[in-house]
Amino acid sequence: KNEVEQSPQNLTAQEGEFITINCSYSVGISALHWLQQHPGGGIVSLFMLSSGKKKHGRLIATINIQEKHSSLHITASHPRDSAVYICAVGAGTASKLTFGTGTRLQVTL
Amino acid sequence: DTEVTQTPKHLVMGMTNKKSLKCEQHMGHRAMYWYKQKAKKPPELMFVYSYEKLSINESVPSRFSPECPNSSLLNLHLHALQPEDSALYLCASSQRGFSTDTQYFGPGTRLTVL
Repeated sequence: KNEVEQSPQNLTAQEGEFITINCSYSVGISALHWLQQHPGGGIVSLFMLSSGKKKHGRLIATINIQEKHSSLHITASHPRDSAVYICAVGAGTASKLTFGTGTRLQVTL
Repeated sequence: DTEVTQTPKHLVMGMTNKKSLKCEQHMGHRAMYWYKQKAKKPPELMFVYSYEKLSINESVPSRFSPECPNSSLLNLHLHALQPEDSALYLCASSQRGFSTDTQYFGPGTRLTVL
């Protein structure tokens, strides 16, 4: 069974700061997903990574397969980035994902 | 249209009631998922339907009964629930049901069992 750990668990930042959220997993994977959940429930998929790096607007996600580690970076953070960020991994072709416990981010003015 | 819709948004039910949650997507996805999420916890997978067949049941109690009438619709029938079943129930869909698929989530149904 894959163990997925995220750090930090909670993060407070001021608007404009550069933010990094980390995710480590214990067993080889075929995909790593970064998800965002705002208060009130809805989950949005931000990235799916199997190697390398992806960028979308102010968000950058990287993965190091050898070290079993991924990072999510937010540049020029904004209060609307306040949310829970969840890392989830999948192995093989199976649809089941293993979720990390999430990082609760609050960005203040 | 990249939307997954769920109804109702909120549901309050007694332990003897029977109710159903409904999920719909029109993206042509062939995999649909039910998740349960308790406060401040990540989602827990309950069921996966792939090509309208139940492919994963995560040892969910029989008081939860999933149904996939067609490739666009997913229901979760609830009967004789317990107060500890109160949670946010999320539906998701993905293209083929592979771990590399992006999953699209609905807004959830917040269930309270009295």
